Amino acid sequence: DAGVIQSPRHEVTEMGQEVTLRCKPISGHDYLFWYRQTMMRGLELLIYFNNNVPIDDSGMPEDRFSAKMPNASFSTLKIQPSEPRDSAVYFCASSPPGQLETQYFGPGTRLLVL
Amino acid sequence: DAKTTQPTSMDCAEGRAANLPCNHSTISGNEYVYWYRQIHSQGPQYIIHGLKNNETNEMASLIITEDRKSSTLILPHATLRDTAVYYCIVRVRTGNQFYFGTGTSLTVIP
Repeated sequence: DAGVIQSPRHEVTEMGQEVTLRCKPISGHDYLFWYRQTMMRGLELLIYFNNNVPIDDSGMPEDRFSAKMPNASFSTLKIQPSEPRDSAVYFCASSPPGQLETQYFGPGTRLLVL
Repeated sequence: DAKTTQPTSMDCAEGRAANLPCNHSTISGNEYVYWYRQIHSQGPQYIIHGLKNNETNEMASLIITEDRKSSTLILPHATLRDTAVYYCIVRVRTGNQFYFGTGTSLTVIP
């Protein structure tokens, strides 16, 4: 299995630009999570989906952030407009049915907003 | 979810057992103890979890005190590749959120 796939691995953009991060969960997993990690705040859960439906987006910092999961094999996290304080590593993770204790994380996308 | 307390950093000699403590004095009866680790520049990796009995798998052992207010993750023979940040998390099994906290930075020394 290829594991959770994220793209791009690195993204450098200028303040005000739109940023789209992509995630392909492990086939057969029905939960998908988006996390953000910074030195100051550690690893934070932003939003998670179950069967493509957003369940809890209380961790999304503000309206500039949005996430979608149009099908079981693809999800996006979009930031529009981006700001320097959005610079972080963004992780996507997925869990198989009935095994919420094991989240499989992707390699992350390192975002730098100038 | 209950709050956990871990030491900020620890060192361990290669080949020796690494014992990583975690305090979770406010843990509820239905909350499990989970351990994840994060190797530099990678995503977190699941290690082990338990409720009240000690658990062992191919990666580590988890020792939970009888009152469940603390636990210890044991890496029996630490290698250089075990250098990572180790997170202790308590949550209900059906909960979907993981509060990772700041973890313990373990350095395995040759």
